[in-house]
Amino acid sequence: DAGVIQSPRHEVTEMGQEVTLRCKPISGHDYLFWYRQTMMRGLELLIYFNNNVPIDDSGMPEDRFSAKMPNASFSTLKIQPSEPRDSAVYFCASSSTGANTEAFFGQGTRLTVV
Amino acid sequence: GENVEQHPSTLSVQEGDSAVIKCTYSDSASNYFPWYKQELGKRPQLIIDIRSNVGEKKDQRIAVTLNKTAKHFSLHITETQPEDSAVYFCAARGGAGRRALTFGSGTRLQVQP
Repeated sequence: DAGVIQSPRHEVTEMGQEVTLRCKPISGHDYLFWYRQTMMRGLELLIYFNNNVPIDDSGMPEDRFSAKMPNASFSTLKIQPSEPRDSAVYFCASSSTGANTEAFFGQGTRLTVV
Repeated sequence: GENVEQHPSTLSVQEGDSAVIKCTYSDSASNYFPWYKQELGKRPQLIIDIRSNVGEKKDQRIAVTLNKTAKHFSLHITETQPEDSAVYFCAARGGAGRRALTFGSGTRLQVQP
């Protein structure tokens, strides 16, 4: 398995533009997590899904952020409109319900909003 | 919700010395405590984890201890090497079916050759 795959790896966008981040979890994993990493706030959970259903979105900063998981192999995190304070590294991670519950992280998307 | 505190924020040791990083958590129902290592520009990767029914776990030069009564857990790295230099994060997963990890703020470990 190639692991958790995120795209793009880097994104530079202008304030006000829509940004879409993508994630492909490890095949067979039924949990998917979106985290944001900044120097000031560390690794914060934004939202997580179980079997494609959002379970906890209390970490989503505001209505500008939305996430979807239309099927077991794909999820998106969308920011509309983007703001400079959204600049961060966004990580997607996945895990399974089984005995080995390790969360595997993708390579992350470094977002810069100018 | 769960709150995880991690200390110290930075740690510098000489090669061959030991390093200890400590974390406390708030949710007494938490049952899973992983440690992740993140090298510069890379993803966090699991290095060791411990579950609430175990007090200590060791894997070569790395060990983790858990004190459920005090709600704290620690990472111990012995015989440190320059390649151990990275940021280390502790995390906790709450009980009651909550699956997401809450991370500590990270410790930047620098091993001086």
